[in-house]
Amino acid sequence: DAGITQSPRHKVTETGTPVTLRCHQTENHRYMYWYRQDPGHGLRLIHYSYGVKDTDKGEVSDGYSVSRSKTEDFLLTLESATSSQTSVYFCAISSLAGAYEQYFGPGTRLTVT
Amino acid sequence: SQQGEEDPQALSIQEGENATMNCSYKTSINNLQWYRQNSGRGLVHLILIRSNEREKHSGRLRVTLDTSKKSSSLLITASRAADTASYFCATQETSGSRLTFGEGTQLTVNP
Repeated sequence: DAGITQSPRHKVTETGTPVTLRCHQTENHRYMYWYRQDPGHGLRLIHYSYGVKDTDKGEVSDGYSVSRSKTEDFLLTLESATSSQTSVYFCAISSLAGAYEQYFGPGTRLTVT
Repeated sequence: SQQGEEDPQALSIQEGENATMNCSYKTSINNLQWYRQNSGRGLVHLILIRSNEREKHSGRLRVTLDTSKKSSSLLITASRAADTASYFCATQETSGSRLTFGEGTQLTVNP
């Protein structure tokens, strides 16, 4: 987890409220990713970024948006949280476009009630 | 849809035994990677094997790749209780830059 932090680590929120998760890296890596992990589904890519202000959708992007205004920060926003977005969210970074290993943050456990 | 599928879903062995996990995938790949996840933690990269490689070693880990069968295996030799974790394979497809993860194998090593 060195060099990557996620905040908050735990959050409980109500359906319909907006939620923003933050990923911060000190490695100066170009690529950043947001995944969600659910039982029976493994890790699924939500959005990723290949540079400041450059982002693209993953396989489960509906209901999520991202922003990257600085190399070190990648924000994931749930515009209006739903119970189906209860999950563990992981941020990851890599120095090349997934060609080499990804380094993961410690995760954020989000519960939507 | 999942690119990689691990087999078995769960594996329980005794300390000192070898553990073998398998991964199958569907499309052409640039490389295949294995990750470990301890309970409540993020994933940690273990080893990467490129599509033109057939076998790779790292300490007690041995990875094989058979691109004709679209499959890979991870062997952990002389397992320890500390190896207890979930193990995931991830593929980088030739058509894109992202990794696609399988659902993982839960390994339990009993002392």
